[in-house]
Amino acid sequence: GEDVEQSLFLSVREGDSSVINCTYTDSSSTYLYWYKQEPGAGLQLLTYIFSNMDMKQDQRLTVLLNKKDKHLSLRIADTQTGDSAIYFCAEISGGSYIPTFGRGTSLIVHP
Amino acid sequence: GAVVSQHPSRVICKSGTSVKIECRSLDFQATTMFWYRQFPKKSLMLMATSNEGSKATYEQGVEKDKFLINHASLTLSTLTVTSAHPEDSSFYICSARGGYTEAFFGQGTRLTVV
Repeated sequence: GEDVEQSLFLSVREGDSSVINCTYTDSSSTYLYWYKQEPGAGLQLLTYIFSNMDMKQDQRLTVLLNKKDKHLSLRIADTQTGDSAIYFCAEISGGSYIPTFGRGTSLIVHP
Repeated sequence: GAVVSQHPSRVICKSGTSVKIECRSLDFQATTMFWYRQFPKKSLMLMATSNEGSKATYEQGVEKDKFLINHASLTLSTLTVTSAHPEDSSFYICSARGGYTEAFFGQGTRLTVV
């Protein structure tokens, strides 16, 4: 099956930038997503990028896509304690349209 | 974004009983709904995919007689955990997709079987 890999933990200081990385194996991926999950809650769609784009910016969030290396990153500028959560990378390929998720990265923001 | 409402958010039931979880798309028609189970180490496991009016397609290893999925309308899908046992305790999340490719998630349901 297709794989989506993420590092499990990231710890940053408040005010710094956070970069969460994700790699995927499906070369036919058409859409790539970032979701945020706060404790005890469902998944919130943060942003997404089409596979024909290499960058997307939305306020404090910047998504970079390197399609050649199948690498996706999410940069959060000026990270705040409220950004502490689990961040999931997901991809959808044109064939199945079923999202495939990474295991999630726990972002811990400390003062 | 679109809103998906999942209910209940938490449920505790006795072993051997059945529990129904509802997933509603509030402001769009969900032609496809997904049900996930999230394990303690955070990974999301897709259990089944359902299209409105059709039988659900279950992933390998998921017992369809235990996890009954009904997608009777374009705004409602239900997951019924039948004869629940403690090992069924988990966080269940639904996701809905309409004519767009992005999927929107419910708040999740924490099921505890005692």
